[in-house]
Amino acid sequence: AQSVSQHNHHVILSEAASLELGCNYSYGGTVNLFWYVQYPGQHLQLLLKYFSGDPLVKGIKGFEAEFIKSKFSFNLRKPSVQWSDTAEYFCAVNAAGTGNQFYFGTGTSLTVIP
Amino acid sequence: ETGVTQTPRHLVMGMTNKKSLKCEQHLGHNAMYWYKQSAKKPLELMFVYNFKEQTENNSVPSRFSPECPNSSHLFLHLHTLQPEDSALYLCASSQASHVGIEETQYFGPGTRLLVL
Repeated sequence: AQSVSQHNHHVILSEAASLELGCNYSYGGTVNLFWYVQYPGQHLQLLLKYFSGDPLVKGIKGFEAEFIKSKFSFNLRKPSVQWSDTAEYFCAVNAAGTGNQFYFGTGTSLTVIP
Repeated sequence: ETGVTQTPRHLVMGMTNKKSLKCEQHLGHNAMYWYKQSAKKPLELMFVYNFKEQTENNSVPSRFSPECPNSSHLFLHLHTLQPEDSALYLCASSQASHVGIEETQYFGPGTRLLVL
């Protein structure tokens, strides 16, 4: 079965610091990759997604992620975080050919200190 | 504002109660999902419905019973739950293709369930 690993469980940053959250998956075939964000008290929202093409994907609110196939990774980045970025971030993978099976990581809790 | 709504938002029930969770999507999607979100664990996919047909049941105990009367509505019927079933139950929908390529899931706000 496929799995998704998010290595950072809890990250604390000061405002304006740069962010990189790791995501690795285990599947050798074609994958669709997602990052979701869950702000306190709110529902899961799609931040960005990768299906094909340019491996550097830009999402909402200044986030981007880079798909590195050789490393089975899809790390999330933001050059300068804001207090409003405080949230839980989830990486997810949908392996092509598995139909509707989506696999999620355990999530990374980001706290941004003003 | 999400196109997926869930009711109730919070639910407290005893182990002998019967209750139902409701999900409705207004996005014209044809696939709907139930997930369980527990602290410190990955989202657990419970059930998937494609075009109103159940296509996935990830070894979920029979005390959870899904129902999908049409492509816009999804229910999760709960009966004789255990305290360890306390969690956030999330509904999602997507526009499914038959091979699952290029699907994006959209989530509802969840139902916070506490089983006493």
